[in-house]
Amino acid sequence: EIVLTQSPGTLSLSPGERATLSCRASQSVSSSYVAWYQQRPGQAPRLLIYGASYRATGISDRFSGSGSGTDFTLTISRLEPEDFAMYYCQHYGASFRTFGQGTRVQV
Amino acid sequence: QVQLVESGGGLVKPGGSLRLSCTASGFTFSDHSMSWMRQAPGKGLEWVSHINSGRNTIYYADSVKGRFTISTDNAKNSLYLQMHSLRAEDTAVYYCARRDGDYWGQGTLVTVSS
Repeated sequence: EIVLTQSPGTLSLSPGERATLSCRASQSVSSSYVAWYQQRPGQAPRLLIYGASYRATGISDRFSGSGSGTDFTLTISRLEPEDFAMYYCQHYGASFRTFGQGTRVQV
Repeated sequence: QVQLVESGGGLVKPGGSLRLSCTASGFTFSDHSMSWMRQAPGKGLEWVSHINSGRNTIYYADSVKGRFTISTDNAKNSLYLQMHSLRAEDTAVYYCARRDGDYWGQGTLVTVSS
C-alpha cells in the first residue's frame, strides 16, 4: 500500500507570494497517476493537476505541478485570495487509490 | 456541463444500512469509470471504491471491503453505494466522482450514531 505524505501541514503566506507544496510517496509511483486537488471550506474538492504536471480544464497557469518517482510538488506562483484553501495530492493506481493528508495554505 | 448529484445520506444507527445514489449528467456515463470518496468531519479525503467503465472491475478500500458494494445503472446514468454494517467511523460526507476525481458532486452526509 502506497502512503502519501504531504508537507508542510500548514503554510502561512501572504497574497502575491509563491507557495510550494510537497507530496512524498512511500515507494516510487508513475507520475502519470499523481493528481492535486484544491478544497475550499464547505466545497467539494476540485482537480487542479493530473499526471503530475498537466493542468485540468479551466485551471489558472499560476498552478503548476512537477516531480517523479517519490517526490512531487505543487507550486502556486502568486497567491490570490481565493487560493487560500486545503490542497491534497492523490495517487490513482491500478487497484488502489490514496490521498495525502493535506496541506492548508493560510494567510 | 458535467454534473454529479448525490442523495441518500442521513442518520443511521450502528449496524444499519444505507444506499447512496449519484445521478450523472452532461457526459456519456457509460464511457467513464466512477468513484466514491468520503471525508469525515474535519478530516482529509479518503478513497472508498472505484468501478471501471466496463462495469466489470471493482475495487474497495480495505476499510469498507465486505461491507460496501458499488454498482451502476447505465440506463439511469446512476452510480450507487450500498452500505451495510455501518460503524461510527463511517460518518462522513460521501462524494461521487467521475473517473478518479476529474469532477465531483457536492456530497451527501452520512451520520452513524445511536
